[in-house]
Amino acid sequence: QKEVEQDPGPLSVPEGAIVSLNCTYSNSAFQYFMWYRQYSRKGPELLMYTYSSGNKEDGRFTAQVDKSSKYISLFIRDSQPSDSATYLCAMRGMIYNQGGKLIFGQGTELSVKP
Amino acid sequence: DTEVTQTPKHLVMGMTNKKSLKCEQHMGHRAMYWYKQKAKKPPELMFVYSYEKLSINESVPSRFSPECPNSSLLNLHLHALQPEDSALYLCASSDGRLGSGSYNEQFFGPGTRLTVL
Repeated sequence: QKEVEQDPGPLSVPEGAIVSLNCTYSNSAFQYFMWYRQYSRKGPELLMYTYSSGNKEDGRFTAQVDKSSKYISLFIRDSQPSDSATYLCAMRGMIYNQGGKLIFGQGTELSVKP
Repeated sequence: DTEVTQTPKHLVMGMTNKKSLKCEQHMGHRAMYWYKQKAKKPPELMFVYSYEKLSINESVPSRFSPECPNSSLLNLHLHALQPEDSALYLCASSDGRLGSGSYNEQFFGPGTRLTVL
């Protein structure tokens, strides 16, 4: 079983839809949770960063962490064609000497159709 | 300046060649990373440098040799690569100065697309 599971999609939605992207994980030591967006042939770009449980909102994006269920989500409201990309969840624990090693999900490919 | 730059953008090399990838950041970050990414896969961590010292080597073959000449620069020296090493090589950096959490926000460069013939 992988430490982080993410449905690879592809996911296709019409413009204006609400998109829900999810990851589950097995390691209860994870404390930091990130969402990255990666456009084709580009490097990943950090979208959202959450420490421990709770919600965080930034414009059209909302990140949720439910540590009791080991489940994280990214919601995109009013989706736009420019949101078409691969979305990667990433997470790690508190151990300092791991030097920033992130555990990534497989990535979900999202396509928003005009 | 919140940018990580990488050169070259594309590289084609033969199995007997020696080449180097370069990465630069001017954000004052003290942690720098090399990742390898194959198509439709997540990035795989290769190396981590913290304060210019190698802190993590994810059992990468010795034909990949990292170097951190100073706090802003990171190189990856390539020698005797195999066709299966063809991939997108990503460099990233993070603050790394303020405890465990400061490693999390990693800023990625655009990558070098490497093809080994």
